[in-house]
Amino acid sequence: AQSVTQPDIHITVSEGASLELRCNYSYGATPYLFWYVQSPGQGLQLLLKYFSGDTLVQGIKGFEAEFKRSQSSFNLRKPSVHWSDAAEYFCAGGGGSYIPTFGRGTSLIVHP
Amino acid sequence: NAGVTQTPKFQVLKTGQSMTLQCAQDMNHEYMSWYRQDPGMGLRLIHYSVGAGITDQGEVPNGYNVSRSTTEDFPLRLLSAAPSQTSVYFCASSTGTGASLGTDTQYFGPGTRLTVL
Repeated sequence: AQSVTQPDIHITVSEGASLELRCNYSYGATPYLFWYVQSPGQGLQLLLKYFSGDTLVQGIKGFEAEFKRSQSSFNLRKPSVHWSDAAEYFCAGGGGSYIPTFGRGTSLIVHP
Repeated sequence: NAGVTQTPKFQVLKTGQSMTLQCAQDMNHEYMSWYRQDPGMGLRLIHYSVGAGITDQGEVPNGYNVSRSTTEDFPLRLLSAAPSQTSVYFCASSTGTGASLGTDTQYFGPGTRLTVL
């Protein structure tokens, strides 16, 4: 079955530090992979998505993600975190006729 | 474009009451869906629709009904509310249909926070 796993429930970083949020997928074919962000009290907003081509994908707000087929991963990165990045981050996977499935989310806490 | 709108933003129900959560989109998207979000559980799919007149069950459909009479609207009905349905509900839409269900960006509404006493 297609699935997406986010192993970290919470991540705490200091403002200005680098960030990596993990996402692992289980799909038979090359999946379509997404990262969404949910600010407190808001709906989800797309950060970036991958479906083919260059394995390093650039998104909004300075985020990027790298697709690694050998590791079945699609980790989200940012070189320098801002306090406004504190939010819930969701990895999602889909493809073709498969309805997208979401990971359980990772809560990012940013210390000043 | 208003995008995806949901009403109400907040609702408190008593056990056994029924209600309808409204969802509308103005992007002419064929695919619409309802999720519930609970702490530590992520987003779980309740029901979805690939077009007017076509609906199907997701992962957690029990206790909920949907219908899709127009492309724009996709209401979610709670038949007899239970405390286990206390959650935040999100409606989403995308252009995906058929073979492209899983390939397109989903656009989310702001959510409805429901408490069942």
